[in-house]
Amino acid sequence: QKEVEQDPGPLSVPEGAIVSLNCTYSNSAFQYFMWYRQYSRKGPELLMYTYSSGNKEDGRFTAQVDKSSKYISLFIRDSQPSDSATYLCALTNTGFQKLVFGTGTRLLVSP
Amino acid sequence: DTEVTQTPKHLVMGMTNKKSLKCEQHMGHRAMYWYKQKAKKPPELMFVYSYEKLSINESVPSRFSPECPNSSLLNLHLHALQPEDSALYLCASSQSKGVTQYFGPGTRLLVL
Repeated sequence: QKEVEQDPGPLSVPEGAIVSLNCTYSNSAFQYFMWYRQYSRKGPELLMYTYSSGNKEDGRFTAQVDKSSKYISLFIRDSQPSDSATYLCALTNTGFQKLVFGTGTRLLVSP
Repeated sequence: DTEVTQTPKHLVMGMTNKKSLKCEQHMGHRAMYWYKQKAKKPPELMFVYSYEKLSINESVPSRFSPECPNSSLLNLHLHALQPEDSALYLCASSQSKGVTQYFGPGTRLLVL
């Protein structure tokens, strides 16, 4: 079993839709949860960072962590064609410098 | 400013060439990273420098040689690479004990 599982997609939605991207993980020691957005042939861009359980909102983006279920989510409201990219979840522990990445979900938002 | 810069953007090299990739950050971060990313895969960690010292080497072949001349700069020296080494090479940085890593745009490497 992989440490982090993420559906590779592609996930195709119309413009304006609410998008839900998810990762599950197996190591209960993870405490830090990040979402990166990566456009084609570019470096990953940090979108959201959450410590432990709970929700965090930033504009159209909401990150949610449920440690009891080992499940993290990224919601995108009012999705735009410019949101079309690959979204990577990344998890780590305190004091560790290694990020454990999901495989990434490719999102396509059509006008 | 959360910018990490990398040069060159693209690099084509033969298997006998020697080349170097460069990375720079001015965020005062004391940890810097090299990753390799193949198409449709997540980044794979290669090396970590913490306070200019190599702290993690993920069993990377010796044809890849990292160097951290100072706290802002990170190099990756390449020699005798194989075609399967063709990939996007990403640099990242973070606070010394920080968990959030900031990535550069990458260098797209093609080995012929």
